[in-house]
Amino acid sequence: GAVVSQHPSRVICKSGTSVKIECRSLDFQATTMFWYRQFPKQSLMLMATSNEGSKATYEQGVEKDKFLINHASLTLSTLTVTSAHPEDSSFYICSAAPRDRLPNYGYTFGSGTRLTVV
Amino acid sequence: GQSLEQPSEVTAVEGAIVQINCTYQTSGFYGLSWYQQHDGGAPTFLSYNALDGLEETGRFSSFLSRSDSYGYLLLQELQMKDSASYFCAATDSWGKLQFGAGTQVVVTP
Repeated sequence: GAVVSQHPSRVICKSGTSVKIECRSLDFQATTMFWYRQFPKQSLMLMATSNEGSKATYEQGVEKDKFLINHASLTLSTLTVTSAHPEDSSFYICSAAPRDRLPNYGYTFGSGTRLTVV
Repeated sequence: GQSLEQPSEVTAVEGAIVQINCTYQTSGFYGLSWYQQHDGGAPTFLSYNALDGLEETGRFSSFLSRSDSYGYLLLQELQMKDSASYFCAATDSWGKLQFGAGTQVVVTP
């Protein structure tokens, strides 16, 4: 149980365009999901907490108007990178967990989305 | 916020034991988790400690000392497939994870 699906796995887009990444909890309801960004050979940096039915909470330094998060249902959160630029190229990963699995069984991560902006 | 320190790389031979240390400076610390990530893959959960002491899960064990703000992950009977990055992560009361920089474990024949 606790399967998290993330799509797409890879995307290449032109500078200035927007890209939407989906994160779905397949076998549980997730009132909270987390979005991370990871540059090569670096750690996972928490970008924002996605809350079902309310506004996302962004970490310091993350532009909320650039990284739009929508959590419209209990099984789906989306991250839209707006007006993407080459410096936004990175590995984006979401995570979630059923409430009764926390904290002892940890979070399940999506497979990640490798974004390349050209 | 929280900051976590762990070694950048550890190399060991198959069958050996490796210990990855993690020290943390925290506010609102709730527990310490460990995750494994292979190149290009998603992190997978290994272990969690909320209380002082040792948690054992198969070949992997994790230890926490809250008074020392210190924990470690112990990998026993190393296998080639254990070559990966290992991250310690501090959890706060909201369930948010703050990751360390990661330790690259290289297993050699």
